Amino acid sequence: GAGVSQSPSNKVTEKGKDVELRCDPISGHTALYWYRQSLGQGLEFLIYFQGNSAPDKSGLPSDRFSAERTGGSVSTLTIQRTQQEDSAVYLCASSLGLVDGYTFGSGTRLTVV
Amino acid sequence: GQSLEQPSEVTAVEGAIVQINCTYQTSGFYGLSWYQQHDGGAPTFLSYNGLDGLEETGRFSSFLSRSDSYGYLLLQELQMKDSASYFCASHTGTASKLTFGTGTRLQVTL
Repeated sequence: GAGVSQSPSNKVTEKGKDVELRCDPISGHTALYWYRQSLGQGLEFLIYFQGNSAPDKSGLPSDRFSAERTGGSVSTLTIQRTQQEDSAVYLCASSLGLVDGYTFGSGTRLTVV
Repeated sequence: GQSLEQPSEVTAVEGAIVQINCTYQTSGFYGLSWYQQHDGGAPTFLSYNGLDGLEETGRFSSFLSRSDSYGYLLLQELQMKDSASYFCASHTGTASKLTFGTGTRLQVTL
């Protein structure tokens, strides 16, 4: 597609449930990133995939968070046993390189009740 | 650790020029980018500075001084649609990974 696609756009879940967030990057972009943004805050890095290299997971806040990228394309971010502090907008971005910048998806707004 | 400081809010009049400053403390600094985000929208890429100096893209310009660990975004001929949050972001380590500042909310008034 023309842009980065994320689904669902909104997700309300009960505390303790698992959720899966999906990201479909721009075709041909080798780098894929997950960030999260709490209301009125900056973007917090979560995880970064680059081609076939091992992902940079240094931003994942706890072992309840995991992500995978299949076939160098679609990525899924999984949050297990969700907590209220996980409520945020989860943003996915893909990139060709520094000069081109990141292209962000519209995000998934996660609300844990 | 990595940290980037920006003013939290800036207000300017339509047609004016505004400068949004960013100071950073990052190890392994590689370059500085700027992003715009309208309320409820996704961040969009504005510019990248890998070298010291000024980069110009239409009404927007961005500047970097590595020796001062400082950069700024300059917006000229402000329009109402420029009201948004602006984030500086540093590239470190693997160069592609970005650390974002907390953002500057720009309000353009008549």
